[in-house]
Amino acid sequence: AQTVTQSQPEMSVQEAETVTLSCTYDTSESDYYLFWYKQPPSRQMILVIRQEAYKQQNATENRFSVNFQKAAKSFSLKISDSQLGDAAMYFCAYRGSQGNLIFGKGTKLSVKP
Amino acid sequence: DTAVSQTPKYLVTQMGNDKSIKCEQNLGHDTMYWYKQDSKKFLKIMFSYNNKELIINETVPNRFSPKSPDKAHLNLHINSLELGDSAVYFCASSQEFLPMSSYNEQFFGPGTRLTVL
Repeated sequence: AQTVTQSQPEMSVQEAETVTLSCTYDTSESDYYLFWYKQPPSRQMILVIRQEAYKQQNATENRFSVNFQKAAKSFSLKISDSQLGDAAMYFCAYRGSQGNLIFGKGTKLSVKP
Repeated sequence: DTAVSQTPKYLVTQMGNDKSIKCEQNLGHDTMYWYKQDSKKFLKIMFSYNNKELIINETVPNRFSPKSPDKAHLNLHINSLELGDSAVYFCASSQEFLPMSSYNEQFFGPGTRLTVL
């Protein structure tokens, strides 16, 4: 069975600084997708970024980028120029052959002004 | 226009009652899901339907029964509610079930916070 681990329950970053959230996963599948979701206090799940496992190039979306290391089964999220609106729970998620998302336990990110 | 909507957003009820949560998507998607987020924020799949047919049924008590009258709707009925059922329930949809498809992004509803007293 696949598992997703986020080892940082909480992180804090100063506004305008850069922060990296860690995620590791375990799978025996070779093809899969990885995602980062943001959940602000409104509790809406918002897709931040996704990565196809067969693509070596790391995905980027504006201030958000990932460091995908397939051999190490690592998928970290880097947020550059952090903004107050980035404060939220961040979930790493895996989607494999079953189709549903398997989530990590989340990292609560605080942004200090 | 809301893509995936859930009603109600909040539900407070007594132990032992039966309740339903409704989900509708206007995206024309074929696949719908129910996820449960517990008090520690952990999200886990409960059910998945593709074109009104059940395809994923995790180890969920049979007090939970999903119903899909058409592919735009996936409702969740819960019998004999227990304290441990208190959680946020998320409905989601994706264009198709094929897991390796690039079109398989899941869109989430706003969640329903269920509180069982």
